[in-house]
Amino acid sequence: AQSVAQPEDQVNVAEGNPLTVKCTYSVSGNPYLFWYVQYPNRGLQFLLKYITGDNLVKGSYGFEAEFNKSQTSFHLKKPSALVSDSALYFCAVRDMMDSSYKLIFGSGTRLLVRP
Amino acid sequence: EAQVTQNPRYLITVTGKKLTVTCSQNMNHEYMSWYRQDPGLGLRQIYYSMNVEVTDKGDVPEGYKVSRKEKRNFPLILESPSPNQTSLYFCASSPDDRAHQPQHFGDGTRLSIL
Repeated sequence: AQSVAQPEDQVNVAEGNPLTVKCTYSVSGNPYLFWYVQYPNRGLQFLLKYITGDNLVKGSYGFEAEFNKSQTSFHLKKPSALVSDSALYFCAVRDMMDSSYKLIFGSGTRLLVRP
Repeated sequence: EAQVTQNPRYLITVTGKKLTVTCSQNMNHEYMSWYRQDPGLGLRQIYYSMNVEVTDKGDVPEGYKVSRKEKRNFPLILESPSPNQTSLYFCASSPDDRAHQPQHFGDGTRLSIL
């Protein structure tokens, strides 16, 4: 069965410091991986995705994510955090072999960036 | 502006009173989907639609119905709402059913069933 794990409910980081939000996944076939961000009272916004190719994927707002097939991980990173990055972050996976194109979400990680 | 629009944004109602949450997208997207978001569970898919007149169940379809009579609209129907359907609901769309397409989300509908 497909699943996504975000082991941290909350990540705290000081502004200007690097941040990492962790994500591991489990699928039967090869994965398509996504990161979304949710601000208060808003829907999810797409940040970046991994389909194939380079393991380091760059996305919106200076975020990037590293795909590691052996560790089945897709951690979200940013070199220098901003207070405005504070939000709820979701990792999601689709199994290339799943004909329903179902998107499986992790439980979310709240990022809090201190001034 | 390209967007997914949900209505209402907030609704408090009582058990058993039928309700409909509308979803409309103006991007000519083929694929549409409904999710519910509950604390600690992330988003779970309720129903999805690959195209007009084509719908299928997601992971948590019990107690819900959908229809896709036009490409732009994908309403979610709760025929007899119950308190366990109190949740935050999101509609989403993507250009087609290719699995690598990211989805565009509406701003959500918070339902409280008393």
